[in-house]
Amino acid sequence: DTAVSQTPKYLVTQMGNDKSIKCEQNLGHDTMYWYKQDSKKFLKIMFSYNNKELIINETVPNRFSPKSPDKAHLNLHINSLELGDSAVYFCATAGGLEDTQYFGPGTRLTVL
Amino acid sequence: GEDVEQSLFLSVREGDSSVINCTYTDSSSTYLYWYKQEPGAGLQLLTYIFSNMDMKQDQRLTVLLNKKDKHLSLRIADTQTGDSAIYFCAETFHGSSNTGKLIFGQGTTLQVKP
Repeated sequence: DTAVSQTPKYLVTQMGNDKSIKCEQNLGHDTMYWYKQDSKKFLKIMFSYNNKELIINETVPNRFSPKSPDKAHLNLHINSLELGDSAVYFCATAGGLEDTQYFGPGTRLTVL
Repeated sequence: GEDVEQSLFLSVREGDSSVINCTYTDSSSTYLYWYKQEPGAGLQLLTYIFSNMDMKQDQRLTVLLNKKDKHLSLRIADTQTGDSAIYFCAETFHGSSNTGKLIFGQGTTLQVKP
C-alpha cells in the first residue's frame, strides 16, 4: 500500500485550462503539504494544511487553490494555467515527534 | 532567515566515499534531513539528524552536524552506481507557525563512475 499517492502522474494541458491534482495519504498524519519543483530541480513549499485547516500559504498566486475534504486528502486546483506553472508538484505529509515529511511520487505538469 | 546551500555536483568512482556538504541559516531548526531523488522519481527520505546530535550513522550513511558553523554533511561509504541521484539537504523552518515547512538546498547531483 502506497503511503502517499498522487494522481495523475503526468498532466499535459493547454494554457488557460483549469486542472486538479489529487493527493491521498494513509499514514494517519495531520499535516499535508504541496511543494513545487521547477525545471532546475529547486523545491519550494506552496501550502500546508493541518487537520483540514490552511496553515501555510507561501505567496502563491490565487489561481492555485488547495482543498482538503478530509485529513487523508489534499487536492490542488489550478485555474487559468500558465506556461510558468509547468513543474513537478509534490504532495507530502508529516506526523510524529520528528515531524518528518514523506513525499508522494510527484505529478509532472506540462502547460503548452 | 531561510536559506540552505549545497554544491551542485559531485563525481566519484564506484567504491570510493562520497561527501555531500550543506550549510543552513536557521539555528532554531530541530531536525535536518537528507532526501534522495532518482531521475524521474519522487523524494525518498534517506536519513535525518536531531539538532542536539553531532553524528548519526545508518549503514553506509554517516551524517555529521556542526551546529556552531551550521554545517551538515552526508557521507556515503563504498559508493555504488545505484547511489547516482540528486541529494537534497533540508531544514525545518517554523517561523510564526507551529507547522514546519522544509527549506531545501538546491540539490547535489552525485555521479558515480564505474
